[in-house]
Amino acid sequence: AQSVTQLGSHVSVSEGALVLLRCNYSSSVPPYLFWYVQYPNQGLQLLLKYTTGATLVKGINGFEAEFKKSETSFHLTKPSAHMSDAAEYFCAGSSGSARQLTFGSGTQLTVLP
Amino acid sequence: GAGVSQSPRYKVAKRGQDVALRCDPISGHVSLFWYQQALGQGPEFLTYFQNEAQLDKSGLPSDRFFAERPEGSVSTLKIQRTQQEDSAVYLCASSPRLAGGDEQFFGPGTRLTVL
Repeated sequence: AQSVTQLGSHVSVSEGALVLLRCNYSSSVPPYLFWYVQYPNQGLQLLLKYTTGATLVKGINGFEAEFKKSETSFHLTKPSAHMSDAAEYFCAGSSGSARQLTFGSGTQLTVLP
Repeated sequence: GAGVSQSPRYKVAKRGQDVALRCDPISGHVSLFWYQQALGQGPEFLTYFQNEAQLDKSGLPSDRFFAERPEGSVSTLKIQRTQQEDSAVYLCASSPRLAGGDEQFFGPGTRLTVL
């Protein structure tokens, strides 16, 4: 069974600072991993995903994430935060024969001027 | 092109009423998923379809919840005899295939409030 844990329900960074949002997964088989962003009153938008191959994945809006099997992690980073990055971020995964996504509980990112 | 649309966007129901939530997936998408997102939580899986076939309904919380996709396109999630604990945002997502690792495209959700 798949489970996804996001450490830190709220993260605040200054504009221009590094963004680091943490995600750990547990899975008995190799997982597919995703990061989605949700703006108020909007649907979830895919930032990036890991399926197979290169473990460093680049996504939209300057975000990237690295799949680390030894640490069972898939943390999301961005070198320099922008005010428009303020939103809720969800890590999600699927594995094996399951096609549905299992989501973490989300991290609310605040960007301070 | 058009994304996933859901209607209504907001629904207020009195406890005990039946409600129907509609999802229009991206045209041609084979897979359709329903998720429930409680306040302050991540979405939780309810059910999914491949074309008109409901392949997994293990996430439906009770037999008051029913979903259908009769022609393999539009889907309806029905909740009978609504309870306060049903208050949540219901998200629909579609995907071009039914393959692991495929992106799911999400609609804006229907916010259900049960009084």
